[in-house]
Amino acid sequence: NAGVMQNPRHLVRRRGQEARLRCSPMKGHSHVYWYRQLPEEGLKFMVYLQKENIIDESGMPKERFSAEFPKEGPSILRIQQVVRGDSAAYFCASSPFGGQGSAGANVLTFGAGSRLTVL
Amino acid sequence: AQSVSQHNHHVILSEAASLELGCNYSYGGTVNLFWYVQYPGQHLQLLLKYFSGDPLVKGIKGFEAEFIKSKFSFNLRKPSVQWSDTAEYFCAGPASKAAGNKLTFGGGTRVLVKP
Repeated sequence: NAGVMQNPRHLVRRRGQEARLRCSPMKGHSHVYWYRQLPEEGLKFMVYLQKENIIDESGMPKERFSAEFPKEGPSILRIQQVVRGDSAAYFCASSPFGGQGSAGANVLTFGAGSRLTVL
Repeated sequence: AQSVSQHNHHVILSEAASLELGCNYSYGGTVNLFWYVQYPGQHLQLLLKYFSGDPLVKGIKGFEAEFIKSKFSFNLRKPSVQWSDTAEYFCAGPASKAAGNKLTFGGGTRVLVKP
């Protein structure tokens, strides 16, 4: 079981370029979550997706950021026209169930993260 | 919405010392709380979780945490730390009852264990 796979592990972009971060969830997991960790800060929720659906994007910046989880292939977090403030570690997590509206929350399994540096 | 706060940003201690990391949450309903650890250069790993039942939960690597409902706390403890416990520790819980797996994380506590 390969766990949650994220790539690239490190990505360097110049201001104005695009960044694409990929996440393959654990086998059997159909729920994907993206978190961002800014330097010296905790993890902040960005977006929650199921296959072909965005369930909750309340943590996504209104512009330049988008996420998808197609029927086939990994989930992708896309940042257009990157700025220095986008430099952060982006973590993906997956779970087998969504837990929406339930009394409990399922355990998330995290990937190793993708560290984006914007020059 | 629930918030999760961790008291200490940095903790430095020697091997064999006892460790306690504070975590407070704001949500008053049914809570599910987690402690995750991030070793240098690695991904977040689950240390332990509380869903219900015994408020004292045991996790991996000798860690435990106690859920105290009256204090809205879920502090992490380890009686005797090792150098390999050097890591960043995050407390987390659901953002709200309806949030399911959408977790709110505390700001993290960096623990440095000196050999």
